[in-house]
Amino acid sequence: KQEVTQIPAALSVPEGENLVLNCSFTDSAIYNLQWFRQDPGKGLTSLLLIQSSQREQTSGRLNASLDKSSGRSTLYIAASQPGDSATYLCAVQGGSEKLVFGKGMKLTVNP
Amino acid sequence: EAGVAQSPRYKIIEKRQSVAFWCNPISGHATLYWYQQILGQGPKLLIQFQNNGVVDDSQLPKDRFSAERLKGVDSTLKIQPAKLEDSAVYLCASSLVFSGTGGYEQYFGPGTRLTVT
Repeated sequence: KQEVTQIPAALSVPEGENLVLNCSFTDSAIYNLQWFRQDPGKGLTSLLLIQSSQREQTSGRLNASLDKSSGRSTLYIAASQPGDSATYLCAVQGGSEKLVFGKGMKLTVNP
Repeated sequence: EAGVAQSPRYKIIEKRQSVAFWCNPISGHATLYWYQQILGQGPKLLIQFQNNGVVDDSQLPKDRFSAERLKGVDSTLKIQPAKLEDSAVYLCASSLVFSGTGGYEQYFGPGTRLTVT
């Protein structure tokens, strides 16, 4: 059974810091990994999707890497801003097609 | 391109009552998912449709939850009767047909926040 872990559960940083969010998963037989952002009371916004054959994806200040063999992914946020404050979730998609999510990491960026 | 639509956005009911949620996926997306997100947890898949057919409903509490997707477009998720532990956000997502090689990005709606008192 696939399990996804995100540690820590919460992080508070001053504005301008470069951040690394970690995600680990137990079964390396995945098709892809997605990073999502969730604002309070809102749905999920997809940030980046990495196919299993890829090692990283970039979008603006965000960079996500995938090491399938070790069951790890990191989301790098450059020059954090207060608007980046949200909960970040990672999820993996395996052969059953469903996404298995971690519990998320609540990020607070202080001005 | 219009996103995934859901209604209602909020619902408060008493335990043992029934409730229904509606989802309209992105046009052309054959696959539709319903997830349940309990406070402080990641979303958990309840049911997955591909067109009209059910692909995975292994985590759907079938004694009280039901879902349908008529004509392969809109979908309805029903709870009857509701329990206190059903309080959660119910998220609908859609994607293109699974390719078997890499999968497709899932797009989520805003969710329906259900409170059972």
